[in-house]
Amino acid sequence: DTGVSQDPRHKITKRGQNVTFRCDPISEHNRLYWYRQTLGQGPEFLTYFQNEAQLEKSRLLSDRFSAERPKGSFSTLEIQRTEQGDSAMYLCASSLAADYNQPQHFGDGTRLSIL
Amino acid sequence: GDSVTQMEGPVTLSEEAFLTINCTYTATGYPSLFWYVQYPGEGLQLLLKATKADDKGSNKGFEATYRKETTSFHLEKGSVQVSDSAVYFCALRGNYGQNFVFGPGTRLSVLP
Repeated sequence: DTGVSQDPRHKITKRGQNVTFRCDPISEHNRLYWYRQTLGQGPEFLTYFQNEAQLEKSRLLSDRFSAERPKGSFSTLEIQRTEQGDSAMYLCASSLAADYNQPQHFGDGTRLSIL
Repeated sequence: GDSVTQMEGPVTLSEEAFLTINCTYTATGYPSLFWYVQYPGEGLQLLLKATKADDKGSNKGFEATYRKETTSFHLEKGSVQVSDSAVYFCALRGNYGQNFVFGPGTRLSVLP
């Protein structure tokens, strides 16, 4: 069990640029979640996948955000035309679908800073 | 919708002091309740959980009891250590949702 891996750890970019983050879940986990965390706040749900299907999206996920999990393994989160308000920590988590009470296992996150 | 409220921090304690971090929730039905901890520069780690009323979750000296009557899940530890300094998040997963709802977190600083 290597844990949930996220890449990059930090991303600094200029406003208006596109960014893409990657998440590799724990290998046997079929559910994958994306959260956003701003300073002093708890994580806020963005979206989740079961295998390759995106089953739920939060209202926080504007049309500039898109997430994919093409083969049901790793996932990418893309933000187009970044804005200052996108600066945050983006967290990925994974879990097993079979057990409803299974906790989610989190990665260390990708910190995005918009200049 | 579902929500979680936590006591505001930061909480500063001396080593070996008793810790309580209050957490209350609003949810329909019978949610599962969790405490996560986040150390500086790291992701969230599960600390403990409880899945039904009156369950007590425990780990590393921390405990929390699922109180349905008061919709609470307060975190306690009898004797904190400097290494417990972190941000603690209370969270729930509702009956019908697949995602977690987190509280805002409570920062704990333990002084030697």
